[in-house]
Amino acid sequence: DAGVIQSPRHEVTEMGQEVTLRCKPISGHDYLFWYRQTMMRGLELLIYFNNNVPIDDSGMPEDRFSAKMPNASFSTLKIQPSEPRDSAVYFCASSFRDFGETQYFGPGTRLLVL
Amino acid sequence: AQSVTQPDIHITVSEGASLELRCNYSYGATPYLFWYVQSPGQGLQLLLKYFSGDTLVQGIKGFEAEFKRSQSSFNLRKPSVHWSDAAEYFCAVGSFSSASKIIFGSGTRLSIRP
Repeated sequence: DAGVIQSPRHEVTEMGQEVTLRCKPISGHDYLFWYRQTMMRGLELLIYFNNNVPIDDSGMPEDRFSAKMPNASFSTLKIQPSEPRDSAVYFCASSFRDFGETQYFGPGTRLLVL
Repeated sequence: AQSVTQPDIHITVSEGASLELRCNYSYGATPYLFWYVQSPGQGLQLLLKYFSGDTLVQGIKGFEAEFKRSQSSFNLRKPSVHWSDAAEYFCAVGSFSSASKIIFGSGTRLSIRP
């Protein structure tokens, strides 16, 4: 298996632009997680899905952020409009069954908002 | 609320020396505990996890961790480090009641002295 795939790996955009981050989980995994990593706040869980349904989005910073999982093999995290403080590394992770299972992380998307 | 504290931001050890990374957690019930490693530019990889049973847990790459309930600790150890162990290490805590949500510590960066 190729592991969790994220695209793009790097994104540079200007303030106010829409940003879409993509994730393909490991086949067969039914949990998908979006994390954000910054120097100031460390690694934060933004939202997670179970069987394509959002379970907990309490970590989503504000309405500018939205996440979808239209099918078992694809998820997006969208920021609209983007702001410089959104600059971070965004990770997608997936796991099989419940949380007791290992979360497998993708390589991350490094986002810079100018 | 659950929390995880990694008191050491940065540790440097000589190659071949032993290593212990500290992790303290705060949670009322029996926690589920994890150690992840992040190499530069990469996603996180699970080293080991503790749910129940034997309090000494063996992981990959020669790492082990010991759960000490009385000290609310889950320290990571390795008897002899290799230069390739240089990375960021994250302790994390979760619980059955929190479903799939786990909380990560702020991380400890490990440098290896030749």
